[in-house]
Amino acid sequence: AQSVSQHNHHVILSEAASLELGCNYSYGGTVNLFWYVQYPGQHLQLLLKYFSGDPLVKGIKGFEAEFIKSKFSFNLRKPSVQWSDTAEYFCAVNARGGYNKLIFGAGTRLAVHP
Amino acid sequence: DTAVSQTPKYLVTQMGNDKSIKCEQNLGHDTMYWYKQDSKKFLKIMFSYNNKELIINETVPNRFSPKSPDKAHLNLHINSLELGDSAVYFCASSHPPSSGRETQYFGPGTRLLVL
Repeated sequence: AQSVSQHNHHVILSEAASLELGCNYSYGGTVNLFWYVQYPGQHLQLLLKYFSGDPLVKGIKGFEAEFIKSKFSFNLRKPSVQWSDTAEYFCAVNARGGYNKLIFGAGTRLAVHP
Repeated sequence: DTAVSQTPKYLVTQMGNDKSIKCEQNLGHDTMYWYKQDSKKFLKIMFSYNNKELIINETVPNRFSPKSPDKAHLNLHINSLELGDSAVYFCASSHPPSSGRETQYFGPGTRLLVL
């Protein structure tokens, strides 16, 4: 069975600090990988995704993620966070060729202080 | 021009009642989903329909019954509501599985509180 692990449950940063959120998945086959963001009181929005090709993926709002197949990881990064990045971040995977069942990690709550 | 919409946004009801949540998407997608987000923000898939056919049915109490009248709509009916059903329910839609375009787009959520 697939599973997704997000190592950091709560992260607190000051504005302009760099961000890296860890995500590891467990699955023996090929996967698609996603990062979603949920701002307070809002729905999930897609930040970025990886299906194939260049393992370094750029998303919206200056976020990027790198797929490292050998480590089963898909860590999210941003060089300089802003107060408006305060949100919950979810890593998710689905098995390619399956029914598109998204398996989510537990989420990481990011708080950015001015 | 909302892509995935849900009604109602908030739902407060008593234990034992029956309620429905509606979802509509105007993205032209064939596949729709229901997810439950619990109080700890954990998201778990419940159901998925592809072109009105049920393709994912996770271990969910049979008090929950999805219905898809057409490709653009997926409703969730819940019978005999229990306290543990309190959660945020998200609808999502995508192109069909294995299409290479199966990114899921989420609705705004329905916050259900059972008293």
